[in-house]
Amino acid sequence: GAVVSQHPSWVICKSGTSVKIECRSLDFQATTMFWYRQFPKQSLMLMATSNEGSKATYEQGVEKDKFLINHASLTLSTLTVTSAHPEDSSFYICSATHYEQYFGPGTRLTVT
Amino acid sequence: AQSVTQLGSHVSVSEGALVLLRCNYSSSVPPYLFWYVQYPNQGLQLLLKYTTGATLVKGINGFEAEFKKSETSFHLTKPSAHMSDAAEYFCAVSGPYTGANSKLTFGKGITLSVRP
Repeated sequence: GAVVSQHPSWVICKSGTSVKIECRSLDFQATTMFWYRQFPKQSLMLMATSNEGSKATYEQGVEKDKFLINHASLTLSTLTVTSAHPEDSSFYICSATHYEQYFGPGTRLTVT
Repeated sequence: AQSVTQLGSHVSVSEGALVLLRCNYSSSVPPYLFWYVQYPNQGLQLLLKYTTGATLVKGINGFEAEFKKSETSFHLTKPSAHMSDAAEYFCAVSGPYTGANSKLTFGKGITLSVRP
């Protein structure tokens, strides 16, 4: 139990386009989901906290207009990277809470 | 605010040798402490966690960690390394609020290599 999925697992997009990443809790309901960003050989940096039915809380330095987060249901949160640029290329990981945090497998985003 | 320090970026051990990965934390409130493992291009898997109670915590795959408040440490150990233990290991702390909805602060991670 307590499985979190992410879709897509990897995506390549052109600079200036937007890309949406989905995070789903498959067998539990999660009132809170977290979005992290991980650069190669580096740690996870929390981007935002997503609560179902309310606006996401962004960490300092994260552009809320660039990284749009929607938590429309207790099992789904989405992260949309708007007007993506090469510097947005990264590994994005979500987690969903159910007594503890369960992490998704991550999404590799490459912006060309 | 919380912070985690993982000294060094890479540890290499021989198969069958002791694994010791160090983690020190800083927290203004009683911490919850975690160790996660990450395999290439995958998410994080929880190895073990300390919340309250017994300071020696046993986790999956033969790993354990001991919470030492006086040393603000939570070092991860395994008596005998296996080739499959080669991965990236992250120490993390949460707080100041307890519970699953607490934000995690991660250390920078340590790469464990296991030599045949």
